Amino acid sequence: LAKTTQPISMDSYEGQEVNITCSHNNIATNDYITWYQQFPSQGPRFIIQGYKTKVTNEVASLFIPADRKSSTLSLPRVSLSDTAVYYCLVGASYSGAGSYQLTFGKGTKLSVIP
Amino acid sequence: DAGVTQSPTHLIKTRGQQVTLRCSPKSGHDTVSWYQQALGQGPQFIFQYYEEEERQRGNFPDRFSGHQFPNYSSELNVNALLLGDSALYLCASSRVPGLAGGTGANVLTFGAGSRLTVL
Repeated sequence: LAKTTQPISMDSYEGQEVNITCSHNNIATNDYITWYQQFPSQGPRFIIQGYKTKVTNEVASLFIPADRKSSTLSLPRVSLSDTAVYYCLVGASYSGAGSYQLTFGKGTKLSVIP
Repeated sequence: DAGVTQSPTHLIKTRGQQVTLRCSPKSGHDTVSWYQQALGQGPQFIFQYYEEEERQRGNFPDRFSGHQFPNYSSELNVNALLLGDSALYLCASSRVPGLAGGTGANVLTFGAGSRLTVL
């Protein structure tokens, strides 16, 4: 399983764009990169997933360089409600018969300041 | 459409006791994974069930066991509770992609968790 490294914490002011970078040097060919958001006392919530280049949805963008050894989650114009822990996960590519697992790291605690 | 539901939401046990946590997956999902999350830590993978069998297991002792039922719901059992078992236990469901090649990675839908306190 590919190990990920993220900053432990980040601070940002409301309205700013926030970029959280995750390193995954030993990512495998079939691995995807998935980001989750977690609020206190809640389960993580899926944000975005990608394999290469750029993926964008209604809440975030995910940038993945050609070598795929890192990825950057971009949150545009954050608000106080974006204060949460963000996890980068690599792997969980389908390997047959549901045999896979996802490994969470410590995540990045984002604090949005008014 | 109900998401993942877990019960109970909170419970308190004493050392040496046994506990059973329950999980109903999101409609259409066939795979259930269980995670343990200690305070301030990321979720740690316990095990995963698919087709009523344990498919993957993390670094947890045999005191942790589980079961998946024909309706895809699942139970997590922990025997001989220790103080260190106090944590938020998360259930996540997903749907295995079709056999015709891997099309993306599995996206997990988590429940709100069961908060276990061991005294």
